[in-house]
Order: sequence, then structure tokens, then C-alpha cells
Amino acid sequence: QVTLKESGPVLVKPTETLTLTCTVSGFSLSNARMGVSWIRQPPGKALEWLAHIFSNDEKSYSTSLKSRLTISKDTSKSQVVLTMTNMDPVDTATYYCARIGFGAATNYFDYWGQGTLVTVSS
Amino acid sequence: SSELTQDPAVSVALGQTVRITCQGDSLRSYYASWYQQKPGQAPVLVIYGKNNRPSGIPDRFSGSSSGNTASLTITGAQAEDEADYYCNSRDSSGNHPFGGGTKLTVL
Repeated sequence: QVTLKESGPVLVKPTETLTLTCTVSGFSLSNARMGVSWIRQPPGKALEWLAHIFSNDEKSYSTSLKSRLTISKDTSKSQVVLTMTNMDPVDTATYYCARIGFGAATNYFDYWGQGTLVTVSS
Repeated sequence: SSELTQDPAVSVALGQTVRITCQGDSLRSYYASWYQQKPGQAPVLVIYGKNNRPSGIPDRFSGSSSGNTASLTITGAQAEDEADYYCNSRDSSGNHPFGGGTKLTVL
């Protein structure tokens, strides 16, 4: 059974750095053609893809947020970590991690965590 | 461009067929995936690839693609299909942007 679970602070102050952890089970981050993405959703707004990391350690970041994001993985702990620097109230959102599935001419998010709401406020 | 464009809202009468569309340059090269999201819940994958449904997704959901447009079709919409629907696709840079979402109302 594949599961993903996000963890991290519920409240951060402006200018602080956010660190979120995605703990996965039911699959290994070291398996070939495996990956995890981070996706967020501000209250009442659309989904926004942030970053992904593949099992070969290939990484990709949202063009608009690239300077603030770092994604990494710890295969031994089955965890993927996302850091976002210089947090601002507009970064208030539910943050999801999702497993990446691979297909011909397509990637997709086949399993999602429940999400964690992060509020940015002083 | 890596942007994906969706109509903000669509409505359908109960039992009728509805098509939700997604436009973007990346769709000329890559297939879209589609996600259903109900209030307070995480998104659920409903269609991926050329026209693939994950296990547990009803066969009234189908996908298609032509040129720069991907479509999600619900044939015989049910009350429980009322939700927000998002498309997603990778682009040539490795980004995976989402569309702005379509709110489906079943009348």
C-alpha cells in the first residue's frame, strides 16, 4: 500500500525558512523510475507544482520559485524534504507531496499525501 | 510556454455528458493528466496518458487530446462528480504546471 505523509510546521513567520518532510511507504525512493513532487494550494486557489526529485537524484523546480526552493531525499529514511526560503504571507497554502508515475510521453501524480496547511504570519 | 488554460466553470445536467478542456503548447508533445478534487480533500488522479484510468476510477471518465488541447469527458455525469478538475502536463524544461482548474457543477 503506497502512502505519503507530509510533516512540518503549521505556522512560520515572514522571512523564515520552511522545511517540509514527506515520508513515503509502499515504494522505495531508490527504485528506478521513481519520483516525488511537492505541490501547493493556497486557500480557495488552484494547485501549483513546486518541485520534483527522481530516484537518480535529478531535480526540477518551478521557474517562478526556483531561487527559493531546495528539494532533497534521504532514501534510507524514505523521506523527501523541501525547503523554501524567505517565506511570505502569500505562501500560505496546503502543501502536498505526491508520487510521480511515468508513462509514454507523460508523467502523472498517482498517489498524494493528505496535505499540510502552512500559515505564514507574524 | 508552460501554461495550461482551463475554463473556470462548467455545468452539466445529471446523466448528461460534459467535456472539460485544457489548452497549452506543451500538450502538443506530452499527454495531460487529470485530477479531481472535492472540498477539503487531496486531489485524485482520474486520467493519465493517452486515455488511462487508475484502478477504481469509473469508466464514465475518459481522456483525449488533439493539437494543443486535452479533454476530460464524463459520460453520464453523476452527482458525486461535482468537484474541481485540474489538468497537468510536463513541459520541455521538466516543469509540471497545473491548469487553473475547472469547477464542475452537476445540475
